[in-house]
Amino acid sequence: ETGVTQTPRHLVMGMTNKKSLKCEQHLGHNAMYWYKQSAKKPLELMFVYSLEERVENNSVPSRFSPECPNSSHLFLHLHTLQPEDSALYLCASSQDLWGDQPQHFGDGTRLSIL
Amino acid sequence: DQQVKQNSPSLSVQEGRISILNCDYTNSMFDYFLWYKKYPAEGPTFLISISSIKDKNEDGRFTVFLNKSAKHLSLHIVPSQPGDSAVYFCAASGDMGAGKSTFGDGTTLTVKP
Repeated sequence: ETGVTQTPRHLVMGMTNKKSLKCEQHLGHNAMYWYKQSAKKPLELMFVYSLEERVENNSVPSRFSPECPNSSHLFLHLHTLQPEDSALYLCASSQDLWGDQPQHFGDGTRLSIL
Repeated sequence: DQQVKQNSPSLSVQEGRISILNCDYTNSMFDYFLWYKKYPAEGPTFLISISSIKDKNEDGRFTVFLNKSAKHLSLHIVPSQPGDSAVYFCAASGDMGAGKSTFGDGTTLTVKP
């Protein structure tokens, strides 16, 4: 059973829709992440939060807007997405930002843009 | 420019034999290397890691070897079991934080009974 829960597991939306992905971690971690995994590509880091402050924005288009209201919750707000944004979106958490800290992943949200 | 590469997309091994998964990196600033395992419809789970000050780390059936001069690491699974069939990701990070982890493309391991 994962300590990181993502909802919804699947999402289909049109390009003009607005939706949000939710991530919740029950591990008491201080850092949370959003990743994108497209078909046959490595995991791409999108955003990093540490103690509710964004510390990394990896050149992600503004149609993706993260929100971290507290250290246990992370959202990814989606607006006016493109077909190429269809992918698996993974949330992860780690105790802190030190490089030796493993990340704990949720099971992801499979996003399809029509 | 992909800094972490797993050149073998897939590997098939007989149950009980050794599985060797390889990973190459280009950035000499990486200090930590981690392996993750991913089953279908699940997120990756942490398997084992190694610091750049070591050349070997062992945890049960899993051993990771690091060759810094060659910028190469490998994961050995002995003996391999059918439940080990999954996608294995190599990741590398530096002192700048876990948020800077760079992942490889993954290798799909199939262990045949």
